[in-house]
Amino acid sequence: DVKVTQSSRYLVKRTGEKVFLECVQDMDHENMFWYRQDPGLGLRLIYFSYDVKMKEKGDIPEGYSVSREKKERFSLILESASTNQTSMYLCASSFEGYNEQFFGPGTRLTVL
Amino acid sequence: SQQGEEDPQALSIQEGENATMNCSYKTSINNLQWYRQNSGRGLVHLILIRSNEREKHSGRLRVTLDTSKKSSSLLITASRAADTASYFCATPYTGGFKTIFGAGTRLFVKA
Repeated sequence: DVKVTQSSRYLVKRTGEKVFLECVQDMDHENMFWYRQDPGLGLRLIYFSYDVKMKEKGDIPEGYSVSREKKERFSLILESASTNQTSMYLCASSFEGYNEQFFGPGTRLTVL
Repeated sequence: SQQGEEDPQALSIQEGENATMNCSYKTSINNLQWYRQNSGRGLVHLILIRSNEREKHSGRLRVTLDTSKKSSSLLITASRAADTASYFCATPYTGGFKTIFGAGTRLFVKA
């Protein structure tokens, strides 16, 4: 079974802190994704990556950056956390673009 | 608005009844996918139906796709309390790297 893991289930940070969310997948998938999920807004794509060191902006990239130095790992970085970045963050991976995505358990981030 | 939109937003049924959720989308698709999300967890892929398929089954799940109406439905038969979750339809953009998820249908199955 594909396994996607995220570094934390719950995280509490202060405004202005730099925050790192890590995601690792074990199935050699080319594509990896970061979403945030907010009540009433569904899942919104922040960034995705289709290869090592490659990244593309999603629908809401402002305030975020990403890093993919190894195929299995995709990191989301909040350069200076703000309260409006309090959300559930979901990482996913897929083998090819049109195929199903495999999700991690999510990180619930609270920024105080 | 979003590519995939589910209807109804919420559904409450008794155990043993069938649950039907609908999804509408706007543009042409390669496939349509359904996912389940238990409270506070990640999404789990349930079923994928390709644009040239009209119906697909997986256990107690039945998915239909009508590309002329740009709509899909997910039927869960003989529902169980464990089916309580949110259900999302998802449609990959042409090119495939971006997938649009609807806002979801919250299903509550009463024991």
